[in-house]
Amino acid sequence: GAGVSQSPSNKVTEKGKDVELRCDPISGHTALYWYRQSLGQGLEFLIYFQGNSAPDKSGLPSDRFSAERTGGSVSTLTIQRTQQEDSAVYLCASSLMGAEGETQYFGPGTRLLVL
Amino acid sequence: EDKVVQSPLSLVVHEGDTVTLNCSYEVTNFRSLLWYKQEKKAPTFLFMLTSSGIEKKSGRLSSILDKKELFSILNITATQTGDSAIYLCAVGDGSSNTGKLIFGQGTTLQVKP
Repeated sequence: GAGVSQSPSNKVTEKGKDVELRCDPISGHTALYWYRQSLGQGLEFLIYFQGNSAPDKSGLPSDRFSAERTGGSVSTLTIQRTQQEDSAVYLCASSLMGAEGETQYFGPGTRLLVL
Repeated sequence: EDKVVQSPLSLVVHEGDTVTLNCSYEVTNFRSLLWYKQEKKAPTFLFMLTSSGIEKKSGRLSSILDKKELFSILNITATQTGDSAIYLCAVGDGSSNTGKLIFGQGTTLQVKP
């Protein structure tokens, strides 16, 4: 596609429910990143994919968070048993190869609200 | 711990003013510094800086990096209401070999007519 797309745009869920957030990176980009932006904060790195594997999961805040990527393209971030502190904007970015200093292109994000 | 700090956190100016946004960093394995503009949700890329003292310019925006003093500035001249946004500074962390970015908190700029 022309840019990174994410769905849904907004998600409201109840505490304790599971949610799935989807990211479609730019076609041909092998690197994919998930970030989280809480209100008034900068972006916090969650996980990095190179192809279908995730060599860096160091930013995932707890074992309730998981992600996968299939076909070297679409990625899904899953949050199990959501908590109110999970409320944030979840941003996905992709880059061509994942090299240091390479420009990352961001999607519009999913705004998650946990009631 | 690696960190990126931006200042000011927020700024209100009037159209036509010039603004300077600051970004300082402490990153063990610095590779690059990037500036993004975030208007609604998706941050859009502005500049990537890797060398000290070389100004990057795009229209009314310019940026420069000082790798000795570990900071960068983003200048916007003749500001317009369309410049209102959050400006994010990020540093590429070379120690992880993943290209992941470490972001500052952002500077929220409001330009009044």
